[in-house]
Amino acid sequence: DQQVKQNSPSLSVQEGRISILNCDYTNSMFDYFLWYKKYPAEGPTFLISISSIKDKNEDGRFTVFLNKSAKHLSLHIVPSQPGDSAVYFCAASYGAGNNRLAFGKGNQVVVIP
Amino acid sequence: NAGVTQTPKFQVLKTGQSMTLQCAQDMNHEYMSWYRQDPGMGLRLIHYSVGAGITDQGEVPNGYNVSRSTTEDFPLRLLSAAPSQTSVYFCASSRDGLLNTGELFFGEGSRLTVL
Repeated sequence: DQQVKQNSPSLSVQEGRISILNCDYTNSMFDYFLWYKKYPAEGPTFLISISSIKDKNEDGRFTVFLNKSAKHLSLHIVPSQPGDSAVYFCAASYGAGNNRLAFGKGNQVVVIP
Repeated sequence: NAGVTQTPKFQVLKTGQSMTLQCAQDMNHEYMSWYRQDPGMGLRLIHYSVGAGITDQGEVPNGYNVSRSTTEDFPLRLLSAAPSQTSVYFCASSRDGLLNTGELFFGEGSRLTVL
């Protein structure tokens, strides 16, 4: 049973506009939430994270919002750039010592120049 | 900087064969892990280790063995390959022995096909 869900598998956005990726989860014991970015034929790279005790974290063009009551988080990319075209994975840490990560299926983002 | 290095990048096996996927990191990271990624699915945790001599099972451990004799290396062994193990495998490491923030450094992946 998938604990981290990413719907709308693909997203196309014009360069300079906002990209919004959504993620829902079922386990209320998740401690940290993260977003990873993946280019073809490469491993995922860490993008941004948020602790379960916060509702927003910002890093440059990337902002993650967490709504614990709705078990929902989102990633905003503003402004979107062609280099942002990639697959984005939502993930959450759980288990003793937060030693496990559960990943969503990923969202393909295409930024159109 | 080498980071996390996985070998081989590609491998084709026949059902029943055994093999080892190698993973090495040069960042002195305590935590290492193996994930598999299948089409239309996210990454799923196979095994992980919080330090030399310590390993634990993840979400999908069946058919795989691991060991952690050094901080640098974390090999993944397929004992008797099955077509269901056809996948892309990623090794990842993290600085902390206990994974606090979930920030992992991933290798480039090993694509395994089992016929």
